[in-house]
Amino acid sequence: LAKTTQPISMDSYEGQEVNITCSHNNIATNDYITWYQQFPSQGPRFIIQGYKTKVTNEVASLFIPADRKSSTLSLPRVSLSDTAVYYCLVGDSGFQKLVFGTGTRLLVSP
Amino acid sequence: DTEVTQTPKHLVMGMTNKKSLKCEQHMGHRAMYWYKQKAKKPPELMFVYSYEKLSINESVPSRFSPECPNSSLLNLHLHALQPEDSALYLCASSQTTLGGYTFGSGTRLTVV
Repeated sequence: LAKTTQPISMDSYEGQEVNITCSHNNIATNDYITWYQQFPSQGPRFIIQGYKTKVTNEVASLFIPADRKSSTLSLPRVSLSDTAVYYCLVGDSGFQKLVFGTGTRLLVSP
Repeated sequence: DTEVTQTPKHLVMGMTNKKSLKCEQHMGHRAMYWYKQKAKKPPELMFVYSYEKLSINESVPSRFSPECPNSSLLNLHLHALQPEDSALYLCASSQTTLGGYTFGSGTRLTVV
């Protein structure tokens, strides 16, 4: 299983763009990169998933360089409600044994 | 229906009690998972069921007993737990194709 490394915490202010980078040096050919958001006492929520280049949805963008050894989750114009823990996970498309890393604790201030 | 429903939301049990956690999904997902999460820690995988059969057991103590009666339902039977088993227990489900996991809101378990 590819291990992931993320910053432990990040601080931002409302309205700013936040970029959280995840390192996954031993990612396998069949692996996809998936990001989850978790609020206290709730289950993680799927944000975005990608394999290469760039993926965008209504809440975030995911940038993956050609070597796929890292990925960056971009949250445009964050608000206070984006304060949460963000997890980057790597695995293939089957019944994955998903292992969560330490995650990044994002604090958005007024 | 795009949700995973977990019941109860909160549970307090004594160390000699027997209780069960329930998880239900109606998305047609063929894999279901139990995770345990302690405060300020990431979720830890406990069990994986695929097509109603236990496929992964992450060396979980026998006081935790999973059961998958059908493709929509997953139970976790608890017996003789210890105070250190107090945690948020999360259920998730997934398809064989892409799209990630769908997690429930969890059961907050306190063992006294």
